Amino acid sequence: GAGVSQSPSNKVTEKGKDVELRCDPISGHTALYWYRQSLGQGLEFLIYFQGNSAPDKSGLPSDRFSAERTGGSVSTLTIQRTQQEDSAVYLCASSLNRGGANVLTFGAGSRLTVL
Amino acid sequence: DQQVKQNSPSLSVQEGRISILNCDYTNSMFDYFLWYKKYPAEGPTFLISISSIKDKNEDGRFTVFLNKSAKHLSLHIVPSQPGDSAVYFCAASVGGATNKLIFGTGTLLAVQP
Repeated sequence: GAGVSQSPSNKVTEKGKDVELRCDPISGHTALYWYRQSLGQGLEFLIYFQGNSAPDKSGLPSDRFSAERTGGSVSTLTIQRTQQEDSAVYLCASSLNRGGANVLTFGAGSRLTVL
Repeated sequence: DQQVKQNSPSLSVQEGRISILNCDYTNSMFDYFLWYKKYPAEGPTFLISISSIKDKNEDGRFTVFLNKSAKHLSLHIVPSQPGDSAVYFCAASVGGATNKLIFGTGTLLAVQP
């Protein structure tokens, strides 16, 4: 697509429920990144995909967080047994990652609110 | 461990004047630095970058300066316009295969008409 698409744009859930967030990157972008922005904080790296592989998962905050990417395209971030501290805007970005300045193109984000 | 720091949460300038946004970093291995702008309810958008081997890069009204010895960079916007009002994030790339960006906490710029 022309840009990075994320869905849902807003999600309100109850503590303890599972949520799935979807990212559709720019066509042809092999690199895909998930970040999150909590209130008053910067963008926190979560996970990086190159193709369907995730060589860097170092930012996932706990084992309740997981992500997958299929067909080298769409990615899903899953949060199990959500907690209130999971409330944040989850941002997906994609890039060509061919060296030089790695310019990430971001989606508009998915705002998650855990009650 | 905050590797990229933006110590000014907010900045207010008059339209037509210069805006200077600052950023400090701790990791001397960063190879590129990037600035992003973010409007409410939108994702961050790329503005300008600079390689660690350069000390200045200019693109229209936007100029980024890098002082490696001080581990400091700044973004200058001249002249500032009301449409520039947004949150500005400084980011640094770690290079390597992942080449992920490490972001600062952002500075909210308000340009007063």
